[in-house]
Amino acid sequence: QLVLTQSPSASASLGASVKLTCTLSSGHSSYAIAWHQQQPEKGPRYLMKLNSDGSHSKGDGIPDRFSGSSSGAERYLTISSLQSEDEADYYCQTWGTGISWVFGGGTKLTVL
Amino acid sequence: EVQLVQSGAEVKKPGESLKISCKGSGYSFTSYWIGWVRQMPGKGLEWMGIIYPGDSDTRYSPSFQGQVTISADKSISTAYLQWSSLKASDTAMYYCVRGLAMIVVVPDYWGQGTLVTVSS
Repeated sequence: QLVLTQSPSASASLGASVKLTCTLSSGHSSYAIAWHQQQPEKGPRYLMKLNSDGSHSKGDGIPDRFSGSSSGAERYLTISSLQSEDEADYYCQTWGTGISWVFGGGTKLTVL
Repeated sequence: EVQLVQSGAEVKKPGESLKISCKGSGYSFTSYWIGWVRQMPGKGLEWMGIIYPGDSDTRYSPSFQGQVTISADKSISTAYLQWSSLKASDTAMYYCVRGLAMIVVVPDYWGQGTLVTVSS
């Protein structure tokens, strides 16, 4: 079964960097994913599509501070020079059978 | 500028019907998919289904098949999500999302959400 696993929470200091992880279930390590950001009381925003080889394509207007990388079944979102507005929930998402979307449980990022 | 503008918040009673909308602008509405995603209070994102307005090809998550109906009117660039008989458990925020067809359908623009509250 295709499942995406994310840590429920993460924290990092203002101006620092943080690396969030999304893990694909066994047998699905070649899958691409997408990252989405949901700031408090707002709708989600698409950040990027991330392939298994680490190549990624970002959404319109996404700052260079956001980058993605991959290793095996793990997909990462790195945010550098953390700003207060980066405090948000981050969801990874992949593609199941047909045109279905499968979401991870989300990571709540706190900027200290 | 790509925009998906959703209809306003709704308060309904159990058993009532409801149809919420999502109007796309700033792009060719018939050339992209529109998906619907549910977010229950304090919870994560769940994919409900998707439609291609160009030919009305519609797919549903097994979890939502038979529970909701997705449709689109390409003449007014609007997609819809409807219920025939709401339950309290349908209380949630609902988002429409544009899907860019690459090798997969990438959800690249989100609407602002429609809050549906079902309570007696």
